[in-house]
Amino acid sequence: ELKVEQNPLFLSMQEGKNYTIYCNYSTTSDRLYWYRQDPGKSLESLFVLLSNGAVKQEGRLMASLDTKARLSTLHITAAVHDLSATYFCAVDKSNAGGTSYGKLTFGQGTILTVHP
Amino acid sequence: GAGVSQTPSNKVTEKGKYVELRCDPISGHTALYWYRQSLGQGPEFLIYFQGTGAADDSGLPNDRFFAVRPEGSVSTLKIQRTERGDSAVYLCASSSAGGRTYNEQFFGPGTRLTVL
Repeated sequence: ELKVEQNPLFLSMQEGKNYTIYCNYSTTSDRLYWYRQDPGKSLESLFVLLSNGAVKQEGRLMASLDTKARLSTLHITAAVHDLSATYFCAVDKSNAGGTSYGKLTFGQGTILTVHP
Repeated sequence: GAGVSQTPSNKVTEKGKYVELRCDPISGHTALYWYRQSLGQGPEFLIYFQGTGAADDSGLPNDRFFAVRPEGSVSTLKIQRTERGDSAVYLCASSSAGGRTYNEQFFGPGTRLTVL
């Protein structure tokens, strides 16, 4: 059974500081997704990482994927209050031919609070 | 350019009642997914449709849960004899996966189900 673990689960940051959220998963996969969820809202897609060594950046967020270590990171640079939200990573298993099985397995989420 | 829509946004019902939750995916998306998100947790997979057929229903918790997608577009999640433990946010997502090698899913706003 595929397990996805995030840490930390709670992150309180000062504005302007940097930090990293980690996402470990238990089985071979080369597809990983990061989502953001605001309170009472649905999930917003942030990044799609499709291969070992993939790195994507959008504004103050940068995501990377190491399939050998089964690890993805979401790095936050110079945090601002607007980044306060819950962040989820999700893993998508594929068959031997590389086609997605379809279902995503999510981590528990990291609740990020950025304060002045 | 509408996204995934779900109705109702909130549903309050009594234990033992039957409920139906509706999902309208992004136009042209062949794949449709249902997830359930309990408070403080990541979404958990329930069922995945490719076209009209359920490609994977391994996440349905028991036979009280059933979902259909008769014309390959709108889907309905049906829960019989609801229990208090069914209370959660039910999320629907769609993607244009259709055999592609990756599977970015776009989520709807969810239906918050409360069973009293």
